[in-house]
Amino acid sequence: EDKVVQSPLSLVVHEGDTVTLNCSYEVTNFRSLLWYKQEKKAPTFLFMLTSSGIEKKSGRLSSILDKKELFSILNITATQTGDSAIYLCAVFKGQGAQKLVFGQGTRLTINP
Amino acid sequence: EAGVAQSPRYKIIEKRQSVAFWCNPISGHATLYWYQQILGQGPKLLIQFQNNGVVDDSQLPKDRFSAERLKGVDSTLKIQPAKLEDSAVYLCASSLRYRGQTLNTEAFFGQGTRLTVV
Repeated sequence: EDKVVQSPLSLVVHEGDTVTLNCSYEVTNFRSLLWYKQEKKAPTFLFMLTSSGIEKKSGRLSSILDKKELFSILNITATQTGDSAIYLCAVFKGQGAQKLVFGQGTRLTINP
Repeated sequence: EAGVAQSPRYKIIEKRQSVAFWCNPISGHATLYWYQQILGQGPKLLIQFQNNGVVDDSQLPKDRFSAERLKGVDSTLKIQPAKLEDSAVYLCASSLRYRGQTLNTEAFFGQGTRLTVV
């Protein structure tokens, strides 16, 4: 059975801290791993990772994939209250029409 | 570029009633997904379409849920009859795969419909 597991499930930090969110996966026919930020209802896209060891960066956010150990991390440096959200990890899997499987999410709260 | 459109935004119904949700994906996106997200959980795939064909509906409770995507564009998801445990946010998403490529692009999500069954 396909699994996408995120940790921690919940994290509370102070503004300015650095956080690392984890995502491990066990799926057949892995194609790519995606990170989303969900503040209200609609998840918004952050990163798509297909190759091991290549860091993707956007401002204070960065992410990297390890296809040998089957995990990815999302780092957020100098956190701000606006970073408070649920962070979702998802994996595209399969041949042909690819299925997008989500983890349960990490709820991040940044306190001022 | 217009995003994924969903309606309604909110719906409250009594158990055993029926309800329908509508989704219009991004123009040109062949792949359309319906997800159910219960509070505190990640999105769970209900059904995936490629154009107007179903490619995965393994987690769709077919005794009460149905979905269609006529002409490979808009899609509707119906629940009949609804149960209390159907209370959730229903998310529609779409993605593109360029001709000759092996990977889908990222999926873009609509604003979702929050369903409350009382």
